[in-house]
Amino acid sequence: ETGVTQSPTHLIKTRGQQVTLRCSSQSGHNTVSWYQQALGQGPQFIFQYYREEENGRGNFPPRFSGLQFPNYSSELNVNALELDDSALYLCASSFIENTEAFFGQGTRLTVV
Amino acid sequence: GDSVTQMEGPVTLSEEACLTINCTYTATGYPSLFWYVQYPGEGLQLLLKATKADDKGSNKGFEATYRKETTSFHLEKGSVQVSDSAVYFCALIGGSQGNLIFGKGTKLSVKP
Repeated sequence: ETGVTQSPTHLIKTRGQQVTLRCSSQSGHNTVSWYQQALGQGPQFIFQYYREEENGRGNFPPRFSGLQFPNYSSELNVNALELDDSALYLCASSFIENTEAFFGQGTRLTVV
Repeated sequence: GDSVTQMEGPVTLSEEACLTINCTYTATGYPSLFWYVQYPGEGLQLLLKATKADDKGSNKGFEATYRKETTSFHLEKGSVQVSDSAVYFCALIGGSQGNLIFGKGTKLSVKP
């Protein structure tokens, strides 16, 4: 068991709505990253947080935003949902010095 | 930019057959390399890793060797089981953000 937990596991939203996904990092990890995995594709990096600051971002628009809390848990927020946002969203935690990342089971978001 | 290319699937094998999934990468420097596995309906699990040239990662009978000369990290297993059926992702730590960069994944189906 990796120790990274995500909630909810499944979610259905309507186009234009906003959504918040949550992630609890593995104990002792101070870095959290979020990835989007479209059906049949590899995960794509959204952004990374270290000590509550965003310290890396992939090619995603500003309507994708996040937070990391003092206990190293994290949220991913997506505004103005589009149909193409339908995907599996994966959270991963790690030590900044250790490149090994541990993933949660993901949240399956469907936008209709 | 940095990228990972892995062989297209799906791959269908009989139980106890030999497995090779090819993976090559493009990166500046010498990134750490990983294989992740994704079972149906689940998140990603780290299968093995290698952090420098000629390192061999191994786990659960799977092996991969970091080949700097050929920029490759092929996944191998001598005798697959039905329980190995999953999607396998090759990945590296790279890019300007130091994030994981994944290949598109290779689906493996093992028949009894």
